[in-house]
Amino acid sequence: ETGVTQTPRHLVMGMTNKKSLKCEQHLGHNAMYWYKQSAKKPLELMFVYSLEERVENNSVPSRFSPECPNSSHLFLHLHTLQPEDSALYLCASSQVYGELFFGEGSRLTVL
Amino acid sequence: GEDVEQSLFLSVREGDSSVINCTYTDSSSTYLYWYKQEPGAGLQLLTYIFSNMDMKQDQRLTVLLNKKDKHLSLRIADTQTGDSAIYFCAEAETGRRALTFGSGTRLQVQP
Repeated sequence: ETGVTQTPRHLVMGMTNKKSLKCEQHLGHNAMYWYKQSAKKPLELMFVYSLEERVENNSVPSRFSPECPNSSHLFLHLHTLQPEDSALYLCASSQVYGELFFGEGSRLTVL
Repeated sequence: GEDVEQSLFLSVREGDSSVINCTYTDSSSTYLYWYKQEPGAGLQLLTYIFSNMDMKQDQRLTVLLNKKDKHLSLRIADTQTGDSAIYFCAEAETGRRALTFGSGTRLQVQP
């Protein structure tokens, strides 16, 4: 495996389900990110984990919960989501500031 | 707050030049980036420019920065059908890992 791998690629869940998105980077980078991509909207930063900082976008609802057990793995735990949370969730990693390497994304549909 | 704006759509003929524009509001931006997203894929870094430069050329790509007007553009010379994708402008603040992205400009190249 190379680069940034996200699983699952597609996920359909009901509003009462609990699921998790997984991201793994094989690049030896020291920072990982979750972004949300919705149609015709700017990419929205959700969370950043790095040695220097852990950033949370204050507008992200608590039904999204990140976990970063080590520098190669990042999870996004999902709980009681709403239909408007349906989007493409992109994971990225970086070593150099600004040079992000993205995974292919997890397409989430909330029914 | 930070804001990055782009037009949503651009259509050009194969062989023509494409110019994708972006405006940003954060005057403390140190680097500005262009990312490309092909269908079904994550974003890929295309090029970047440091804020004390006004132009950078990389093969078919030319980045122009007007810092006074906070305007960034990406010119693709001799546009090919393989250039069809969504192009995102992004900015980074000094010392911050996270990038602020625009909504993306969908480039459609007509044969």
